[in-house]
Parts: sequence; C-alpha cells; structure tokens
Amino acid sequence: EVQLLESGGGLVQPGGSLRLSCAASGFTFSSYAMSWVRQAPGKGLEWVSGISGSGGSSYHADSVKGRFTISRDNPKNTLYLQMNSLRAEDTAMYYCAKPPQAGYSGYPSYWYFDLWGRGTLVTVSS
Amino acid sequence: QSVLTQPPSASGTPGQRVTISCSGSSSNIGNNFVYWYQQLPGTAPKLLFYMNNQRPSGVPDRFSASKSGTSASLAISGLRSDDESDYYCAAWDDSLSGWVFGGGTKLTV
Repeated sequence: EVQLLESGGGLVQPGGSLRLSCAASGFTFSSYAMSWVRQAPGKGLEWVSGISGSGGSSYHADSVKGRFTISRDNPKNTLYLQMNSLRAEDTAMYYCAKPPQAGYSGYPSYWYFDLWGRGTLVTVSS
Repeated sequence: QSVLTQPPSASGTPGQRVTISCSGSSSNIGNNFVYWYQQLPGTAPKLLFYMNNQRPSGVPDRFSASKSGTSASLAISGLRSDDESDYYCAAWDDSLSGWVFGGGTKLTV
C-alpha cells in the first residue's frame, strides 16, 4: 500500500527549531518529487516546500525562505523539513504529499499533490 | 490574502447545481494547470481534479471543472449532503516559483 506518515511535530517556543519527517512506503521513493503543505488552525492550505526526486532541486515559499529547508534521504525513504527560527504564524498541521507520476524533476509545475499523509501538528508558543 | 481568489462560501439544496470560482493571473492560472482539492473536516485534502479538468478515478462525474484564461471553476451537480466540504483550487505560479492555493470555499448543502 502506498503510504506517507509524518512525524516530529510538537510544541516549540518562538525562535526554536524542529525537524519533521515523512516516511514513505509502497512506491519507489527516489523517483518522485515530494512536497510539504501546511494548514494553520481554521485556515486554508499553504504550500511550503518541494524537492525533486534526486534532491538536486528544491523550492520554498517566500514565507519560509531562509528559515525552513526541505531535504530527503532516498535510501531511508524519508522526506524532511528542517524548521528554524519558528514563529507563532508557523503553527499549523504539516502534510507531506506526492504527485501521481514519477519523474518531472525539472518541472515543478507537475509536482502536484495526489497522495497526502495524515499530517503532524506544529505549535509555536511560549 | 491568497494569490488565487475563491468565494469563502457557497450553498445549495440537495439535487441542485453549484459552481465555485477561482480567479488568478497570467503567472499562475493563465499559464499553468489548475487543480482542485476537497477537504472534509479533520482529514487531509483529496485531489478532485488535475490538469484543469481531469478527474481521478473514484471521483463521481457529478463533479466537473473548467478553465478559461486566468479563471477556473468547479461545478457540482445533483448536490448531496456528503458534498459538504471545503474546496480549494491550486496552481503553480511562475513568478513566485511556487504553488499557490485559493483561500478555500466552504460548501453547505
């Protein structure tokens, strides 16, 4: 079964750091671009970051650029999101997501979100 | 303020047809595909349409989607109570080099 399972969320103080993980199973992880999408409580969806299958190219939303870093460990079938200098407005459910097709490494406009994990909640508060 | 503009709410009675609009610009909808997602309370979003109007398997044909210029729309006919959900449009934005979403539309049946 194709599955994504996020972990690593929790309560962190403003200015703190957290690393989220997304364990993938049931597909050839290294062949697929992956993304993080977040949703603040009671708010809409916001794309955070995306990374190619090889990890050679990545993109971040302006709201997290310079603070968050997306990465992946293909032998471990795991996607990461390193979050530094956290702010209250980063409080959200964080989902990892994959597109339905493999490849398209050079075409991030094809990295749309087909399969989603259940999410992990990050709360930034003192 | 979302880059893509959706009405915050929509409503209809069972059996009716309702449409949800999504307005963008030349850097997103005007030059890229539009995607639609359905999100039931407390669950992860589900892909409803990809590449403007392609329906994934399992999505009923009561749902349809279209795109024209810098706008897109989602239509649901034969409304059912279990269509009550939040609906989001999304597109890649060439200027931002990132994905943008609409603010979401809460559908009440």
